Amino acid sequence: DQQVKQNSPSLSVQEGRISILNCDYTNSMFDYFLWYKKYPAEGPTFLISISSIKDKNEDGRFTVFLNKSAKHLSLHIVPSQPGDSAVYFCAASWGDYKLSFGAGTTVTVRA
Amino acid sequence: ETGVTQTPRHLVMGMTNKKSLKCEQHLGHNAMYWYKQSAKKPLELMFVYNFKEQTENNSVPSRFSPECPNSSHLFLHLHTLQPEDSALYLCASSQDRRGTAFYGYTFGSGTRLTVV
Repeated sequence: DQQVKQNSPSLSVQEGRISILNCDYTNSMFDYFLWYKKYPAEGPTFLISISSIKDKNEDGRFTVFLNKSAKHLSLHIVPSQPGDSAVYFCAASWGDYKLSFGAGTTVTVRA
Repeated sequence: ETGVTQTPRHLVMGMTNKKSLKCEQHLGHNAMYWYKQSAKKPLELMFVYNFKEQTENNSVPSRFSPECPNSSHLFLHLHTLQPEDSALYLCASSQDRRGTAFYGYTFGSGTRLTVV
């Protein structure tokens, strides 16, 4: 049972424009949501997180939005840069030490 | 060396072989994890260790056997694997429950396993 879903396997965006990545979840018990970035041949690295009691968190070019009623979160990258080309995973925290991950979205930033 | 280190980076093994994956973290974290990443699929949690004690076994087949001798080291012993077990195996660590929620895990670079 996949509790965290990323329905777009890929996204292509022009350099300087906004990248919007989406994630849906089903479990109301999730209390934190996180985004990870992964380059080929490397492990995922933590990008940004948001508590379930908030609806927005911003860190530089990265902003995460949470809509609890819709069980939806999104990651905005503005402006997109070539180094942002990677696979992005959405994750949700629940219970003790557990994270559930989505399948990932591959972002390609075009020059 | 800092972070989470996994060895080997690549492994090819036959179905009758026995091999082990190693993970080491130098972050002083209390919890360690094994995840499996298959192509186009979400990361699948396999095992969780908290203060060296296994707290989660996510219905993993017995041909995968974890070992955690101390809070800094984690092993995954492999025997009689199947070709469908070919995947990227990721080790991760986290400080504590709250750290996991806020900052997630610190991942290693993974071991790319191919079973032939």
